[in-house]
Amino acid sequence: RKEVEQDPGPFNVPEGATVAFNCTYSNSASQSFFWYRQDCRKEPKLLMSVYSSGNEDGRFTAQLNRASQYISLLIRDSKLSDSATYLCVVNPFEDQFYFGTGTSLTVIP
Amino acid sequence: GAVVSQHPSWVICKSGTSVKIECRSLDFQATTMFWYRQFPKQSLMLMATSNEGSKATYEQGVEKDKFLINHASLTLSTLTVTSAHPEDSSFYICSARRQGFLGTEAFFGQGTRLTVV
Repeated sequence: RKEVEQDPGPFNVPEGATVAFNCTYSNSASQSFFWYRQDCRKEPKLLMSVYSSGNEDGRFTAQLNRASQYISLLIRDSKLSDSATYLCVVNPFEDQFYFGTGTSLTVIP
Repeated sequence: GAVVSQHPSWVICKSGTSVKIECRSLDFQATTMFWYRQFPKQSLMLMATSNEGSKATYEQGVEKDKFLINHASLTLSTLTVTSAHPEDSSFYICSARRQGFLGTEAFFGQGTRLTVV
């Protein structure tokens, strides 16, 4: 079983739509979780960390479900500029980060 | 601004030649840096962990004699692709961790797109 599994999509949504991505992880002892955004041919950039209590940053909401071992990212009121690949990242150990394959999002005018 | 700088951003080389990629942490010391490779439509795959002052740790299936890693200082790691072949064409990204108040955060270099012709 892969350390991190993510639906690759693609997700094509109209502007203004709400879209959600899920990501499952296999190591139940994992403590740190992140969502990264990667634009085409660019490096991944941290979008937000995922905390146990869930956290929100503007139109973005991240949730953690430890019982089911998944994290989610919700994007509300999608903008054209949100088009990118979203990578979920799990950090089970100090220097070990596992990446999902990424979910491709295209926001359509 | 960028906290990890990678150079060059893109390079085209002939088969059989070697290419060196540099990764620098700009405002913090990184005793450990990581090198990833990403093929089109695939996720980042860890190639090796670069350790300052000691040998790098390579992931299974990655040839250490082909991908030479040197981490001579606390702010610089280099990856040299030796005797490059077209199948080595890929996007190479380095990463360094920085400890913050909320835990460890990973920062990435801008990536190097290598094309071997």
